[in-house]
Amino acid sequence: EDKVVQSPLSLVVHEGDTVTLNCSYEVTNFRSLLWYKQEKKAPTFLFMLTSSGIEKKSGRLSSILDKKELSSILNITATQTGDSAIYLCAVEDYGGSQGNLIFGKGTKLSVKP
Amino acid sequence: NAGVTQTPKFQVLKTGQSMTLQCAQDMNHEYMSWYRQDPGMGLRLIHYSVGAGITDQGEVPNGYNVSRSTTEDFPLRLLSAAPSQTSVYFCASSYSRGGHNEQFFGPGTRLTVL
Repeated sequence: EDKVVQSPLSLVVHEGDTVTLNCSYEVTNFRSLLWYKQEKKAPTFLFMLTSSGIEKKSGRLSSILDKKELSSILNITATQTGDSAIYLCAVEDYGGSQGNLIFGKGTKLSVKP
Repeated sequence: NAGVTQTPKFQVLKTGQSMTLQCAQDMNHEYMSWYRQDPGMGLRLIHYSVGAGITDQGEVPNGYNVSRSTTEDFPLRLLSAAPSQTSVYFCASSYSRGGHNEQFFGPGTRLTVL
């Protein structure tokens, strides 16, 4: 059965800290991995990763995929209270799930002032 | 563009009642999907559609029906609501199926079944 596992499930840090969120996956035919940020409402897209070792960056956020280890990390440097959210990892399995996205349970990040 | 819109934002039902959650998008996206989100469970796919007239089941389809008569609209019907269907429901759309195309999410509908 395809699955996506995120860790930790929750995390509390202080402003200025650097955090690393983890996502591991087991899918039949991997095609891409996506990260979303969810604040109070709908998830918003952060990154899509398809190739190993290539880092995607946007400001203080960055992500990298390791296809050998079947995992990805999302790094946030110099955290701010506005980074508080649930971070969702999703994997596209072009085989078993016919191209649909399989989501992990998310990591709830709380950044304290 | 309004993006993906959902109505209602909140709904309370009694067990056994039926209702339809509305979803519409104005981006001419072919792929639309419905997810439910429960605490600690992430997003789970209920039904999806790859184009008008074509729908298929996702991971948790039981108790829900969908139809896709137009590109823009993708309503989700609860046939006989049960407390286990208490959840937040998100509709999403993208140019086509798959992660290579960014999915845009609606604001969600919070449903409570008593």
